[in-house]
Amino acid sequence: DAGITQSPRHKVTETGTPVTLRCHQTENHRYMYWYRQDPGHGLRLIHYSYGVKDTDKGEVSDGYSVSRSKTEDFLLTLESATSSQTSVYFCATVRSAGLSYNEQFFGPGTRLTVL
Amino acid sequence: DQQVKQNSPSLSVQEGRISILNCDYTNSMFDYFLWYKKYPAEGPTFLISISSIKDKNEDGRFTVFLNKSAKHLSLHIVPSQPGDSAVYFCAASGYVIQGAQKLVFGQGTRLTINP
Repeated sequence: DAGITQSPRHKVTETGTPVTLRCHQTENHRYMYWYRQDPGHGLRLIHYSYGVKDTDKGEVSDGYSVSRSKTEDFLLTLESATSSQTSVYFCATVRSAGLSYNEQFFGPGTRLTVL
Repeated sequence: DQQVKQNSPSLSVQEGRISILNCDYTNSMFDYFLWYKKYPAEGPTFLISISSIKDKNEDGRFTVFLNKSAKHLSLHIVPSQPGDSAVYFCAASGYVIQGAQKLVFGQGTRLTINP
């Protein structure tokens, strides 16, 4: 258990509104990730971070931005939500290099509905 | 382009029998493979992994087999128990950017264990 919390756990919003999801971890893990899970697609990487203020795009990054101003927090922002962004969003972390190679620990998820 | 595929969306197995979940991949650069288990309304939890230098890894009731020539891996659960009912995702890693391993997930297989 990597002490990962996500907030909010559920959110319903309207098309065109901005939305920010928060991931908080208490283990001082260096690497953090945002995924979305959709039926038929498994989990797909949106953005990831390899340190404070260091982020990069994943395979489905269009329409999303991220920020990491502190080690423990990784924020995912939908600047203008669309119905195609209705999904379940998971945050994940990995310990620093040298431990648990590639094993990612996941948060409980945020279910987002865009009407 | 789905680099990791789980071709069976669902699988039903009798309690006490063996469950076999399959996963195929296309990218020969993948060098580490993982299985995750997911219950409804929870995040995925790590189950077992295998490096490409091995062809088998065992942990209690769970065994993962890797056939590199066929680009195929499988998860065996023996004996299957009702608590094993969940969605299982296989994942593959081979990309290292800024020290961040990037995982590619399959679509998932829903396993149901019948009493």
